[in-house]
Amino acid sequence: GQQVMQIPQYQHVQEGEDFTTYCNSSTTLSNIQWYKQRPGGHPVFLIQLVKSGEVKKQKRLTFQFGEAKKNSSLHITATQTTDVGTYFCAGRPSGTYKYIFGTGTRLKVLA
Amino acid sequence: DAGVTQSPTHLIKTRGQHVTLRCSPISGHKSVSWYQQVLGQGPQFIFQYYEKEERGRGNFPDRFSARQFPNYSSELNVNALLLGDSALYLCASSRDVNEKLFFGSGTQLSVL
Repeated sequence: GQQVMQIPQYQHVQEGEDFTTYCNSSTTLSNIQWYKQRPGGHPVFLIQLVKSGEVKKQKRLTFQFGEAKKNSSLHITATQTTDVGTYFCAGRPSGTYKYIFGTGTRLKVLA
Repeated sequence: DAGVTQSPTHLIKTRGQHVTLRCSPISGHKSVSWYQQVLGQGPQFIFQYYEKEERGRGNFPDRFSARQFPNYSSELNVNALLLGDSALYLCASSRDVNEKLFFGSGTQLSVL
C-alpha cells in the first residue's frame, strides 16, 4: 500500500541548533503538506508544496519538495523552545483525494 | 469564524458496542476527512467526503462507515467496537479536495 515514512522518529536538540526532518513516499505525490502537532493538540497546517523541486521559506523554516515528487524535507534554523512538537508530512498520491500522513518526527528543544 | 467542531470530546464504550462521532466543518468548506490517530503515531486516513460523496477510503474494515449531510457536516460510525479501536478520531475540513486541512480537536474514544 501507499506509505509515507519520516526520519528521524525523534530528535533532541539544544536551543539554537538546527533541525531537519525527511519525508519519503512510496508513490509519486500530487502535492505535499506539512503539519505541526503540539502535545495534546491537533495537527496545524504549516505549508503546501506542489511543484517539483519547489522550495518555500517561512521565517526560520525551509520546506523542499523533491524533483521526483516523492520526497520532502523541513529544516528549522536556530531552534527555539516554541518549536517543540511533532512534525508530520502529508502527501496526496497522484490520482487520489486522500492525504497520507507520515510517521512524524518528534522534536524536543532543550533550553 | 468557528473552527472545525467535533462531538463528543471524550467517549467510553465497551467491546461490541456501536459509536457515532460528529463533525461540523468550517463554514464554506465542502470537504470533510476522518483520521484515526493512535498515541505516538501519525493520523491514519479513514474517509474523505466531498459534496456529500465518498471520494476516498482508507484501509479500515467495513465496521467503519461515514456520511456527509447536505449542510456538509459529517458522521463517522463504528460498529462492533474492538479494543484496538481506542484512539483519537480527528475530523478535518477543507474548501476543496486539494487544499489545506483544518483539524478539529478530536474525539478521544476508549473501548474497554
